[in-house]
Amino acid sequence: QKEVEQNSGPLSVPEGAIASLNCTYSDRVSQSFFWYRQYSGKSPELIMSIYSNGDKEDGRFTAQLNKASQYVSLLIRDSQPSDSATYLCAVDSWNDMRFGAGTRLTVKP
Amino acid sequence: EAQVTQNPRYLITVTGKKLTVTCSQNMNHEYMSWYRQDPGLGLRQIYYSMNVEVTDKGDVPEGYKVSRKEKRNFPLILESPSPNQTSLYFCASSLGKYNEQFFGPGTRLTVL
Repeated sequence: QKEVEQNSGPLSVPEGAIASLNCTYSDRVSQSFFWYRQYSGKSPELIMSIYSNGDKEDGRFTAQLNKASQYVSLLIRDSQPSDSATYLCAVDSWNDMRFGAGTRLTVKP
Repeated sequence: EAQVTQNPRYLITVTGKKLTVTCSQNMNHEYMSWYRQDPGLGLRQIYYSMNVEVTDKGDVPEGYKVSRKEKRNFPLILESPSPNQTSLYFCASSLGKYNEQFFGPGTRLTVL
């Protein structure tokens, strides 16, 4: 069974802090990795995609990928209350896409 | 506006009554998927399609059918719905399987 695991949370951080979200995956052949944000009652929307080892930065967001450890993370700097949402990690596996159960993040003013 | 549309958005039905949830995208995407989302289980892929007339099972295909006769449309069919198919369903599309997926607004299905 090819799995994608995330801490379900909830993760609570104060406004302005760094939020760190983690994801591990089991399929060694996975090539593409995504972080989606999902607000309550809404559909997921892409935050970051990453395809090679290392860090990828986009504004306040940094995705980190370590294929040897089968680990991908998302850092959110200067967290804002509007970042409060569920964050979904997604990993391709052969031809299908696997999602983690999501980590719920709350940023407190 | 580039988008994925789903209909209906909400549906309450009874066990055994066949239903279809439509999905359409206007981005000329080749890859389309159906997911269901349940509390604590996250998004699970039901079926996906790499291109017209090419469909394959995802993680939880039992009780569902799909078809891809046109590039833009990917309907989800429940031939004989059961209460365990009560869920939130999302359709998604992307250029290819390695690309960002764009999600529809979701269909909340209740099977009594």
